[in-house]
Amino acid sequence: GQNIDQPTEMTATEGAIVQINCTYQTSGFNGLFWYQQHAGEAPTFLSYNVLDGLEEKGRFSSFLSRSKGYSYLLLKVLQMKDSASYLCVRRDSNYQLIWGAGTKLIIKP
Amino acid sequence: DTGVSQNPRHKITKRGQNVTFRCDPISEHNRLYWYRQTLGQGPEFLTYFQNEAQLEKSRLLSDRFSAERPKGSFSTLEIQRTEQGDSAMYLCASSLGVKGGNTIYFGEGSWLTVV
Repeated sequence: GQNIDQPTEMTATEGAIVQINCTYQTSGFNGLFWYQQHAGEAPTFLSYNVLDGLEEKGRFSSFLSRSKGYSYLLLKVLQMKDSASYLCVRRDSNYQLIWGAGTKLIIKP
Repeated sequence: DTGVSQNPRHKITKRGQNVTFRCDPISEHNRLYWYRQTLGQGPEFLTYFQNEAQLEKSRLLSDRFSAERPKGSFSTLEIQRTEQGDSAMYLCASSLGVKGGNTIYFGEGSWLTVV
């Protein structure tokens, strides 16, 4: 994706915690989304951050640092169904969405 | 089901043929988007509508691609003279405006295979 960097693939163990990092171009920044996408399916919304800090939603949390152009998605108590790609999405000042290529998360028992 | 629906879900076509995909957005959503996604990549923006007006069209969209949303409700995406490089999943999404945390909601996608 244009100006969005996230790891291509990560592996974690069921029950553990994993953090997926995303860095993005800061100019014209207007919000950061995380989407989950299971293989062969459409992306589904997970979280939205526009101000610095941590947003918690159940087992998933998302963090944003605007000055650093950095976000992470934190997944706790991993379940096998969490195996999916996680897409970092930056919204610009024109409200256009710039999608990362996604991080494929593999959960092992 | 009140989500975004797309059809057909799968289409296999011969190179050179025309194909059309339909998208029915969530009923109160005024914005409708088309994206294309290939394996291992995030969705690529193609075009979007605000009600019936097509406000932006990606440079990725060649002249063979056309999209319409005639009554501001459902939309169609037509690909003329398909090429093998058009094989991808075509995603439709809708949203209620763009401000704040208004998210876009995706349909299940239409898979196109050009042989």
